[in-house]
Amino acid sequence: SAVISQKPSRDICQRGTSLTIQCQVDSQVTMMFWYRQQPGQSLTLIATANQGSEATYESGFVIDKFPISRPNLTFSTLTVSNMSPEDSSIYLCSLGAGHSRETQYFGPGTRLLVL
Amino acid sequence: AQKITQTQPGMFVQEKEAVTLDCTYDTSDQSYGLFWYKQPSSGEMIFLIYQGSYDEQNATEGRYSLNFQKARKSANLVISASQLGDSAMYFCAMRPGGYNKLIFGAGTRLAVHP
Repeated sequence: SAVISQKPSRDICQRGTSLTIQCQVDSQVTMMFWYRQQPGQSLTLIATANQGSEATYESGFVIDKFPISRPNLTFSTLTVSNMSPEDSSIYLCSLGAGHSRETQYFGPGTRLLVL
Repeated sequence: AQKITQTQPGMFVQEKEAVTLDCTYDTSDQSYGLFWYKQPSSGEMIFLIYQGSYDEQNATEGRYSLNFQKARKSANLVISASQLGDSAMYFCAMRPGGYNKLIFGAGTRLAVHP
């Protein structure tokens, strides 16, 4: 199984600032995903990040608010821009799985609190 | 529309007993995957079990088994011999055919009592 790490594991930020979350994988993967979990809620996909192309955002999420970088096959970043308290969530990166793969792994998550 | 429904916001079970967590799904795809994850208070998402839509046998992983009833579009998780460490949120998720993204249900909070 792939090992996924995220930095930071948690942070407390002031409104109006931005935070960049890093996701590192120990093997090369084509697709990476960023999810958000608001307090007491389920997970919602923010965007799909493919290496070498623009991220694809889900409805309700825009690049200006959640810019994503994918510089290589083992690394991605998600930036939460101009934060407000509503951005307080757990942000998780996940690896895409091929159709033959029977698992889909998540990073440990980044807990963000915006004051 | 692709959708996962978990109708049990909370469940409790006595230690060492079995518990079933319900999950129904809606998709028009013929090929899809169904997943269960455990999320303890730490927030990490722990993969438990997978069932493919074409799998004829119900999936099992240790104390976890998936009761897959395709005609009813249900994929219930059965945890046998519950342990105190099983107390957590449990999410059912679907990966629609042709995509890698997951669609999650609302989750069920399981409490295991001694």
